[in-house]
Amino acid sequence: QQQVKQSPQSLIVQKGGISIINCAYENTAFDYFPWYQQFPGKGPALLIAIRPDVSEKKEGRFTISFNKSAKQFSLHIMDSQPGDSATYFCAASTGGADGLTFGKGTHLIIQP
Amino acid sequence: DAGVIQSPRHEVTEMGQEVTLRCKPISGHNSLFWYRQTMMRGLELLIYFNNNVPIDDSGMPEDRFSAKMPNASFSTLKIQPSEPRDSAVYFCASSLWGGVGKTQYFGPGTRLLVL
Repeated sequence: QQQVKQSPQSLIVQKGGISIINCAYENTAFDYFPWYQQFPGKGPALLIAIRPDVSEKKEGRFTISFNKSAKQFSLHIMDSQPGDSATYFCAASTGGADGLTFGKGTHLIIQP
Repeated sequence: DAGVIQSPRHEVTEMGQEVTLRCKPISGHNSLFWYRQTMMRGLELLIYFNNNVPIDDSGMPEDRFSAKMPNASFSTLKIQPSEPRDSAVYFCASSLWGGVGKTQYFGPGTRLLVL
């Protein structure tokens, strides 16, 4: 059972454009929703995270939008740069120190 | 500061052999997680520990897999006997349980190939 569904699998965006990646979850007990960025040969690294008590969180060019009623959240990368080319994973976890349930990932390519 | 340290970085072994992966979490962190990454299944949680105690091992695929955390600075993931379908990248991550944000910091991974 896939508890976090991520789309699209791959995405090509022109430099300067907006990259949008979407995720949907099923478990209403989830209360922490991070996005991780992974470069080839490296471990995932936290990019930005949100809790369900807010609808949006922005850090620099990265924004998470969260819709609790729809059980969906998305990552927006503004002014996308070639250095943003990586694989992005959404994830979710329940309270406490639980492990993360990851989406399948989105391979993002920013074309110069 | 040193991040999460994993060893070895690469492991090639033959089917049936025992494989031991090692992890040193970030100093001061009290939660440790083992994940497996494959093209087909993505990133999967295998097991996690809080204060050296295993909390949830429901992600461990089979009895061939076992994990230990004898102290706050060291954990192992063992596969015995290994099979070709165990080929994957295994990540260890650590976090500060009770800390704001619950950020998990991942190590560089161990790339395992079972022939």
